[in-house]
Parts: sequence; C-alpha cells; structure tokens
Amino acid sequence: IAGITQAPTSQILAAGRRMTLRCTQDMRHNAMYWYRQDLGLGLRLIHYSNTAGTTGKGEVPDGYSVSRANTDDFPLTLASAVPSQTSVYFCASSEGERSEQFFGPGTRLTVL
Amino acid sequence: GQNIDQPTEMTATEGAIVQINCTYQTSGFNGLFWYQQHAGEAPTFLSYNVLDGLEEKGRFSSFLSRSKGYSYLLLKELQMKDSASYLCAVRDSNYQLIWGAGTKLIIKP
Repeated sequence: IAGITQAPTSQILAAGRRMTLRCTQDMRHNAMYWYRQDLGLGLRLIHYSNTAGTTGKGEVPDGYSVSRANTDDFPLTLASAVPSQTSVYFCASSEGERSEQFFGPGTRLTVL
Repeated sequence: GQNIDQPTEMTATEGAIVQINCTYQTSGFNGLFWYQQHAGEAPTFLSYNVLDGLEEKGRFSSFLSRSKGYSYLLLKELQMKDSASYLCAVRDSNYQLIWGAGTKLIIKP
C-alpha cells in the first residue's frame, strides 16, 4: 500500500540521549517535511527537503538535524534530547512544494 | 509575523450544518488548505483554494476571500464520524505551510 511510514510509533527517551525518527515514503514524492504538533499549537515545521540531496530549516530547527540521501527516506535526528522536545512528530511528503502534503501516522516522543 | 486564527472548539448536532472560519495574515499567499485530523491520527487533506470563491466536494465546501484574508469550511449533513479537528493552513511566499492550531468539532446526536 502506497504511503508514508514512520518508526517508532512511540518512544520514551532519557534526556541527553540521541534519537533518530525514521520516515519512508513509496510515492516517489520529491518534497518531504518534518513537523511537530503540540497541544494548543499548530503544526510547526522543523526541517524540509524539496528534493533528494537538499534540506532546509523550518520554523523550529534547533536541536534537530535531517538528511536526504535518497528520494524515499528522510530521517530526523535529535542529537541530545531535552524535555521540551516531547511532542508528536509527523513526517509528510508532497509531489512538489506546490502540492498538497500527505502525512505519516506520527511518532509520539516523550523525553524525561 | 504570520498568524492563522480559527476557533478552538465548536459543537454541532448530527444532521446539521456547521461553518468553521479561518482568518490569516501571512507573508505572501500561495493557496489555503483544509485538513481533517481525528484524535490520535494524522491529518488528511480535505480541500484547497487558491482563487476567490467556493470549492465544493460532496458534503464539504471551502470558501476563500483573499482580500479579506478569510476562509471557511462548510460541513453539511453532519455525521458522528465528522467529529475531529479541522486544520487551516496557508502556503506562504516561500511555499511553506503555516498552520492554525485547529478547530475541534464535537458532534452531538
């Protein structure tokens, strides 16, 4: 079934630990995005990639890094997790920056 | 700064009609999206407006007025499964989506 997968579904992490959230899409979309969603706030863009090999910073990039080695995968890394990074993380993709975005099921991350 | 405003919560009755408003102030405008998000799930695309006017898609319609920085989502013949959050998002001059906090719609029998 075509779509976006994310792993893990949920994770509890000790502060200071390194963590990589995985995202894979099989729709051959050029653009991919990472958002975080917190209660009472809109989705906030962390990082994005308009095409394989390129990445850009969104609204809240501090503490996060991404890579886009190929079209399908767009991992998000927290180098040293802090409690304020507790959130639900959504990966999304679109054919291009001008198209609607399709979302993965999300990763619920708790940093203690 | 960029800002998207929508009501936090609305309640409606099964079978009725509800209108969810969204006002925006963004750096540039390249289209407005509505997404539906059920609790604990991912957002799913509902509608897209880039020109002024009404776009109809089944029970859902979306309206845009660019001069007023205003949109609404109209849901007709409400069903219990329509209980969800409805997210308004504007694509800005950098083609990035700016999101509202969402409107939680509660449907009562």
